[in-house]
Amino acid sequence: GAGVSQSPSNKVTEKGKDVELRCDPISGHTALYWYRQRLGQGLEFLIYFQGNSAPDKSGLPSDRFSAERTGESVSTLTIQRTQQEDSAVYLCASSLATSSGGAMDTQYFGPGTRLTVL
Amino acid sequence: AQSVTQLDSQVPVFEEAPVELRCNYSSSVSVYLFWYVQYPNQGLQLLLKYLSGSTLVKGINGFEAEFNKSQTSFHLRKPSVHISDTAEYFCAVPGRRALTFGSGTRLQVQP
Repeated sequence: GAGVSQSPSNKVTEKGKDVELRCDPISGHTALYWYRQRLGQGLEFLIYFQGNSAPDKSGLPSDRFSAERTGESVSTLTIQRTQQEDSAVYLCASSLATSSGGAMDTQYFGPGTRLTVL
Repeated sequence: AQSVTQLDSQVPVFEEAPVELRCNYSSSVSVYLFWYVQYPNQGLQLLLKYLSGSTLVKGINGFEAEFNKSQTSFHLRKPSVHISDTAEYFCAVPGRRALTFGSGTRLQVQP
């Protein structure tokens, strides 16, 4: 079946512009995660959705970052007034979230969106 | 909060040689551990996970890892690597809502 898809695969933008990154999770997966991966570093948690609610926004680095999810499907991560330090690969993952802990379920990752802010 | 440390940022190895990628975790009451692999220009893929039971966990592509409570380690091993194993490997532990990843180890398999 189809995996997690993300679009665009690459995005180059100018400093100060807004960008929207899209994630289509695996059908039926109730949990959705956004992570950021800076060059040469591990993954940094940004936000988690259970259904269309976001019980944990603790990882969002600033108020320029926001995310929403429609039902139990598509999610959009928006970065306003982009800065050069926002340059990174943004990864989306989804899971069935069958366990109460959520994070113990296997997460399936998309290929990521590489964002470059000039 | 739980965390993991990957001691090696890069591990070069010759094809068909054995390899061990190291991961140490912070001690906690319940320990669940994961290894993910990221092939070039691809997303992360689960290699294996330890939730409970046998301390030796077998994963895909011939990889295995051993949970060692006394040494708080979960090292990843493969007895004979292939060129196709060249990738970034991440150890991870569940946080409250999401996974907490190590900084990654780049495995470079040379012919």
